Amino acid sequence: GDSVTQMEGPVTLSEEAFLTINCTYTATGYPSLFWYVQYPGEGLQLLLKATKADDKGSNKGFEATYRKETTSFHLEKGSVQVSDSAVYFCALSRNTGGFKTIFGAGTRLFVKA
Amino acid sequence: KAGVTQTPRYLIKTRGQQVTLSCSPISGHRSVSWYQQTPGQGLQFLFEYFSETQRNKGNFPGRFSGRQFSNSRSEMNVSTLELGDSALYLCASSSLSVAGVTDTQYFGPGTRLTVL
Repeated sequence: GDSVTQMEGPVTLSEEAFLTINCTYTATGYPSLFWYVQYPGEGLQLLLKATKADDKGSNKGFEATYRKETTSFHLEKGSVQVSDSAVYFCALSRNTGGFKTIFGAGTRLFVKA
Repeated sequence: KAGVTQTPRYLIKTRGQQVTLSCSPISGHRSVSWYQQTPGQGLQFLFEYFSETQRNKGNFPGRFSGRQFSNSRSEMNVSTLELGDSALYLCASSSLSVAGVTDTQYFGPGTRLTVL
């Protein structure tokens, strides 16, 4: 079945450092891929998405490219801020007459001032 | 547009009781999904409803059930609560879903259920 694997955290960075959170997936066909962010005490917010191979999703300085050949969707940001501290979830979703989203385990990011 | 709302936000129950959680989707959204989030198991899919019909179901026991009303509002019910049911229950809504097209899901803030 479908699955998502993302790097374990926590990840601790200094402000303005470069961020990479790795995500790989196992799925048949062409699911859509997502990154969600969860701040303390809140639900999930969509950060970015890509719906087909080689698509690049981007939002708020974050980027991720749908790589079919490596089954990956790594999240990157050139310069993190303290306000980026949160838990990040990689996810895949497909709609075959029914919606179902599979999430990775989540990666907690701490950014120090 | 108002976001997805979930009530109540916090709930404390004891083992053996049952509980009903409510979710109001974004206006115009007809697909509602439910997820359970725990520190040990992460985010797990419970079920999805579209136009009052359950279209998809995760691997949870029959104690977990749900329904959707004609106005797309959804409820989930957990009967005979166990300690392991303590979790954050998240609801997500999506606009009209056509097979093969994956629309974005928008999540509510969740209901934190504690079972004592």
